[in-house]
Amino acid sequence: EMVLTQSPGALSLSPGDRATLSCRASQNFYSRYLAWYQQKPGQAPRLLIYGASNRATGIPDRFSGSGSGTDFILTISRLEPEDFAVYYCQRYGSSPTFTFGGGTKVEIK
Amino acid sequence: EVQLLESGGGLVQPGGSLRLSCAASGFTFSSYAMSWVRQAPGRGLEWVSTIAGSGGATYYADSVKGRFTISRDSSLYLQMTSLRAEDTAVYYCAKDTSFGDFGLFDSWGQGTLVTVSS
Repeated sequence: EMVLTQSPGALSLSPGDRATLSCRASQNFYSRYLAWYQQKPGQAPRLLIYGASNRATGIPDRFSGSGSGTDFILTISRLEPEDFAVYYCQRYGSSPTFTFGGGTKVEIK
Repeated sequence: EVQLLESGGGLVQPGGSLRLSCAASGFTFSSYAMSWVRQAPGRGLEWVSTIAGSGGATYYADSVKGRFTISRDSSLYLQMTSLRAEDTAVYYCAKDTSFGDFGLFDSWGQGTLVTVSS
């Protein structure tokens, strides 16, 4: 069973900082099937990145994704106040089980 | 505009049953796979189940296999039986993208809370 491990569990940063979030898979898989979501308190998740590096519709270009194999990164180049939230990576696609990572909380320092 | 509205959550005793519904609008419902994703209080996201647009294929997480049944007609449903305390969560209805890959969700409902407790 695929496990996605996100690190760190929490990140304390200031507006304008760069955020780097990690997602490590327990098995190698095709990067086409790696997504990132953002979730704010009391809200449903929102799709940010799919295929490891493609921004979803309407997502600002300060969000970028990279990686392949077992190691994936979500980068927020300059944090805006609205970016403080929890971020989840997810494996979707070829396997009929769609695993989420445990999440990284980006909080205001 | 895509809208997904869940209903049917509530308090149920361990071992009980509950049926969740998700009313969809703003897109051609039968053309898209649909899923249920849950989130226990203060915890992360957990994929629960997916059904193809045609309804012909269904998939389940191991944690709910044999207890939950996903189905669809003009709405999406999740029949939950033999409920356990660990099934307590907000249940989200989610729509797949048009990319053809199962499990990539571009629209979500606001969720319905299921509480399993005596």
